[in-house]
Amino acid sequence: NAGVTQTPKFQVLKTGQSMTLQCAQDMNHNSMYWYRQDPGMGLRLIYYSASEGTTDKGEVPNGYNVSRLNKREFSLRLESAAPSQTSVYFCASSEGRPTYGYTFGSGTRLTVV
Amino acid sequence: GQQVMQIPQYQHVQEGEDFTTYCNSSTTLSNIQWYKQRPGGHPVFLIQLVKSGEVKKQKRLTFQFGEAKKNSSLHITATQTTDVGTYFCAVYYGGSQGNLIFGKGTKLSVKP
Repeated sequence: NAGVTQTPKFQVLKTGQSMTLQCAQDMNHNSMYWYRQDPGMGLRLIYYSASEGTTDKGEVPNGYNVSRLNKREFSLRLESAAPSQTSVYFCASSEGRPTYGYTFGSGTRLTVV
Repeated sequence: GQQVMQIPQYQHVQEGEDFTTYCNSSTTLSNIQWYKQRPGGHPVFLIQLVKSGEVKKQKRLTFQFGEAKKNSSLHITATQTTDVGTYFCAVYYGGSQGNLIFGKGTKLSVKP
């Protein structure tokens, strides 16, 4: 039972390059989320998907796009990476309303130079 | 915007000492969740509190929700080196399902 799987675990990009972070969950959860974590800033929501076929902006969506490919997969795309997007990115999933708690993936550590 | 204040930001304790972190809001909360993140790891859900004055225990961890539902605390009795990490509270403000707001966390270090 893998839970939430994120790839890649580490990535270094040059400014202006693009990339897609992949996330998949095997718990049959309806809702999926992308967060970024920066030192001293806690976890900030980038985008979320309440159910298959829907996506919505979170607190810090600028510079990102998402795709809910199916119920299992939710990807995050950086079209033109900037140094300010250097961060640790976490994907999470939940049953539905967040009252059940989130299950997080192990994270992607992204550096933009 | 909506936010929850978590204090202290850092706490250094000697192994065997107790530890408490607090989460405060200016508005009434519908529920509060607690997560633990080990160094280099990912957040792991610990517990959810929903009722006024609720107290829940998990071994050496005690979680409380204030009577007014505006604050919460996590208390660890007799800390161990395995307790090292950052503890986050998170609050669901209702509305769309993306509104789970995390505090900035309390980073706990334990000296053996």
